[in-house]
Amino acid sequence: KAGVTQTPRYLIKTRGQQVTLSCSPISGHRSVSWYQQTPGQGLQFLFEYFSETQRNKGNFPGRFSGRQFSNSRSEMNVSTLELGDSALYLCASSRNAIQGVGETQYFGPGTRLLVL
Amino acid sequence: AQSVSQHNHHVILSEAASLELGCNYSYGGTVNLFWYVQYPGQHLQLLLKYFSGDPLVKGIKGFEAEFIKSKFSFNLRKPSVQWSDTAEYFCAVNANYGQNFVFGPGTRLSVLP
Repeated sequence: KAGVTQTPRYLIKTRGQQVTLSCSPISGHRSVSWYQQTPGQGLQFLFEYFSETQRNKGNFPGRFSGRQFSNSRSEMNVSTLELGDSALYLCASSRNAIQGVGETQYFGPGTRLLVL
Repeated sequence: AQSVSQHNHHVILSEAASLELGCNYSYGGTVNLFWYVQYPGQHLQLLLKYFSGDPLVKGIKGFEAEFIKSKFSFNLRKPSVQWSDTAEYFCAVNANYGQNFVFGPGTRLSVLP
């Protein structure tokens, strides 16, 4: 079974631009979560989508948004990029919503975003 | 809100040494517990998980972890580390019903050949 895939793997943008990252979950998984990983802050939860609905959101500004399609693929958008948005963005999928009993998240390779 | 702490930021061991990485969480209810590993240049992989039952769980690559409910701990152990275990290790907690996954800050393990 194919794992979680993310595209693109690397991205360089300049301040003020916007970016869209894509995530395809493991087949049969309906929940997709997004995380930001930085050396200083570690792994921080951005949001989770389940059945095309945002279930939870972390403490990130409204510039960070996402959506999920009917095939469970998800996109994350960051508008008006800032230097501090440089990070590894990880996508994780699980069969059901992560608040459920016994759910496990499986991670993709991440998209490394550099904002200049 | 739940939080996860990991005792060590960076651990350096020689090959064949025993390993124990500490993880403590703050949540009084039922929890699911995980250890993930991130090898250099690779994505996060699940090492092991605890949902219920035997508090001593075994994972891949010879790792095991013990859930001690009274201490809110889920420490990771390996009796004899190898150079290939060099990686960053993350403890994560997911409280049942209504909580997200919360990750600890990670512990970097360096194993010297």
